[in-house]
Amino acid sequence: EPEVTQTPSHQVTQMGQEVILRCVPISNHLYFYWYRQILGQKVEFLVSFYNNEISEKSEIFDDQFSVERPDGSNFTLKIRSTKLEDSAMYFCASRSLGAGDTQYFGPGTRLTVL
Amino acid sequence: EDQVTQSPEALRLQEGESSSLNCSYTVSGLRGLFWYRQDPGKGPEFLFTLYSAGEEKEKERLKATLTKKESFLHITAPKPEDSATYLCAVYTGNQFYFGTGTSLTVIP
Repeated sequence: EPEVTQTPSHQVTQMGQEVILRCVPISNHLYFYWYRQILGQKVEFLVSFYNNEISEKSEIFDDQFSVERPDGSNFTLKIRSTKLEDSAMYFCASRSLGAGDTQYFGPGTRLTVL
Repeated sequence: EDQVTQSPEALRLQEGESSSLNCSYTVSGLRGLFWYRQDPGKGPEFLFTLYSAGEEKEKERLKATLTKKESFLHITAPKPEDSATYLCAVYTGNQFYFGTGTSLTVIP
């Protein structure tokens, strides 16, 4: 069964450093999403991406965040200058056009900012 | 303000003891309501999508229902492997809003 994959599974970085989180969505999916989940808190929407551009973003997705689909398979989330409060699980999700809006989530990347 | 609230926060059941989880929502323009299961350290796993009041979906021991203001996830005769956090999310056509989840523990 096709699945969303994410790398790395765990990323440790120093405050102020840039990180790139990578996702490979399900191959025929057209919509892509990033979410984060701070430990013990709810899953929070960051951004949605369709047709090579951002379609929606939340208040959390400020100028330090960016997303890119550099090729036909990868979808990345870049955090330019990490802060302690960016420590969280980051989930990528994808869905296909006309799939009843069902999103399929990846296993997540745990980001720890020291 | 769009909001999704789940209750209870935590639920402990004996194996075979049926119960229900609640998800209430106040959003403008509901496009769909989703139930996910999340195991510790993993991504949410899709269970059901509901689109309109009165709709019901079933899968094994789980049954989801939807009204205009809330959804229920009914668990019939649960087993220990049903232990997980169950998340509810609503889709407004722009964003997905998640609840904080119900942590279910089923004791053998």
